[in-house]
Amino acid sequence: DVKVTQSSRYLVKRTGEKVFLECVQDMDHENMFWYRQDPGLGLRLIYFSYDVKMKEKGDIPEGYSVSREKKERFSLILESASTNQTSMYLCASSPMTGSGRNQPQHFGDGTRLSIL
Amino acid sequence: AQTVTQSQPEMSVQEAETVTLSCTYDTSESDYYLFWYKQPPSRQMILVIRQEAYKQQNATENRFSVNFQKAAKSFSLKISDSQLGDAAMYFCAYRRGQTGANSKLTFGKGITLSVRP
Repeated sequence: DVKVTQSSRYLVKRTGEKVFLECVQDMDHENMFWYRQDPGLGLRLIYFSYDVKMKEKGDIPEGYSVSREKKERFSLILESASTNQTSMYLCASSPMTGSGRNQPQHFGDGTRLSIL
Repeated sequence: AQTVTQSQPEMSVQEAETVTLSCTYDTSESDYYLFWYKQPPSRQMILVIRQEAYKQQNATENRFSVNFQKAAKSFSLKISDSQLGDAAMYFCAYRRGQTGANSKLTFGKGITLSVRP
């Protein structure tokens, strides 16, 4: 089974702090994704990556950056945390679509981030 | 841009009964995939069922089936013989069919399903 591991389930930080959310997958997937989930808004894509050192902006990239130095690890960075970034953050991975066109994304357990 | 709409925020079903969750989408593409994901209170999102747009036959996975109406751009999920463990938030999602890097999912806002014992 695919395992997507997020480093923290709960995290509390202060405004202005630089925050790192880590995600690791063990299935050699090319694609990795970061979403935030808010009540009534569903999941919204922040950033995704389809290869090491490659990244693309999703629908709501403002205030975030990402890093993918190794294939299995995809980090989300809040450069200067603000209270409106309090949310649930979900990481996901999937194989490159050419190798399995209907392959679903596999999700981690999520990180509940609170910015005080 | 593609959009996915789940117009019902909440639904309730009696245990052992059948419930249908609705989803519509908007796209100009002809090649795409549709998914239903389930997120129980434990939070991990898991895949329930998937449908390829080029397939006319509706997908089925045990008690879960879909009614895929391509012309109407509708993709509803039917849960038969509902169980207490089906209580969760359900998300409908769309993905374009092109190969390569563009494998983003577009999600609906989700629907919370409760199951009454």
